[in-house]
Amino acid sequence: DVKVTQSSRYLVKRTGEKVFLECVQDMDHENMFWYRQDPGLGLRLIYFSYDVKMKEKGDIPEGYSVSREKKERFSLILESASTNQTSMYLCASSGDYNEQFFGPGTRLTVL
Amino acid sequence: SQQGEEDPQALSIQEGENATMNCSYKTSINNLQWYRQNSGRGLVHLILIRSNEREKHSGRLRVTLDTSKKSSSLLITASRAADTASYFCGEGGSRLTFGEGTQLTVNP
Repeated sequence: DVKVTQSSRYLVKRTGEKVFLECVQDMDHENMFWYRQDPGLGLRLIYFSYDVKMKEKGDIPEGYSVSREKKERFSLILESASTNQTSMYLCASSGDYNEQFFGPGTRLTVL
Repeated sequence: SQQGEEDPQALSIQEGENATMNCSYKTSINNLQWYRQNSGRGLVHLILIRSNEREKHSGRLRVTLDTSKKSSSLLITASRAADTASYFCGEGGSRLTFGEGTQLTVNP
């Protein structure tokens, strides 16, 4: 079975801190995605990557950056966390058939 | 960008009843996928239907696709309390766009 893991289930950070959210998949998938999920707004795509060292902006990239140095790992970076970035962050990966496999999510609170 | 929209936003039924959720989208699609999310967890893929398919079954799930109306429906038959979850449609190819989901509650 495909497994997508995220570094933390819950995270509390202070405004202005630099935050790293890590995602690792074990199925050699080319594509990886970062979403945030908020009540009433559904899932919104932040960034995605089709290959190592490649990244594409999603619908809401402002305030975020990403890194994909290895195929299995896709990191989401909040350079200077703000309270409006408090959210559930979901990572996903997909291969040739476009079915996305999601991690368990990281609930980030920025105080 | 493309946008899948689920309808209704919330649905409450009794165990054993069928549940139908609908999804509408705005542009042409390669395929449409349905996902399930248990409270506070990641999404789990349920079923994918391609643009040249009209109906697909998987266990108690039945998905239809009407490309002329740009809509899809997910039917869960003989629902169980364990089906309580949020259901999302995702449209697109390698990059999906999701709606806000339908919150299904199945009462024992």
